[in-house]
Amino acid sequence: EPEVTQTPSHQVTQMGQEVILRCVPISNHLYFYWYRQILGQKVEFLVSFYNNEISEKSEIFDDQFSVERPDGSNFTLKIRSTKLEDSAMYFCASSLGGWNEQFFGPGTRLTVL
Amino acid sequence: KNEVEQSPQNLTAQEGEFITINCSYSVGISALHWLQQHPGGGIVSLFMLSSGKKKHGRLIATINIQEKHSSLHITASHPRDSAVYICAVAYRGSTLGRLYFGRGTQLTVWP
Repeated sequence: EPEVTQTPSHQVTQMGQEVILRCVPISNHLYFYWYRQILGQKVEFLVSFYNNEISEKSEIFDDQFSVERPDGSNFTLKIRSTKLEDSAMYFCASSLGGWNEQFFGPGTRLTVL
Repeated sequence: KNEVEQSPQNLTAQEGEFITINCSYSVGISALHWLQQHPGGGIVSLFMLSSGKKKHGRLIATINIQEKHSSLHITASHPRDSAVYICAVAYRGSTLGRLYFGRGTQLTVWP
């Protein structure tokens, strides 16, 4: 069964460093999402991406964040200069259509020291 | 405006018990999702529904659009059902696919 994959599973970085989180969505899906979950809190929407551009971004998704689909298979989330409060689990998801079921990746746990 | 409320926050049951988790939301939606989050953190989609009822194995999800309420039922619960169950909604009029999440219900099923 096709699945969304994410790498790495755990990333530890120093404050101020850039990180890139990678996702490979399900191959025929057209809509892509990033969510985050700070430990003990609810999952929050970061950004949605369709047709090679951002559809919507939340207030969390400031200028430090960017997304890219560089090669038609990978979908990346870049954090330019990490802060302590960026420590969270980051989930990628994809769906066939905007109103279809979303399939989630296993997550990347980001720890900023 | 975009609140998703779940109850209970924590639920403990004995194996075999019938479980109900509730979700309510504040404004009109286009779809409601029930998700399961495993202890390791991974999220699995269980159901997406916009009306009526869906069943998959021992899991049943219902939604009442007029009352802005959904329930997830687990029949004959088993210790492997222990997980966090999350309700998430896509609000009508919001951007395609953007989901708003509840805080989750931690379910523990004892043998």
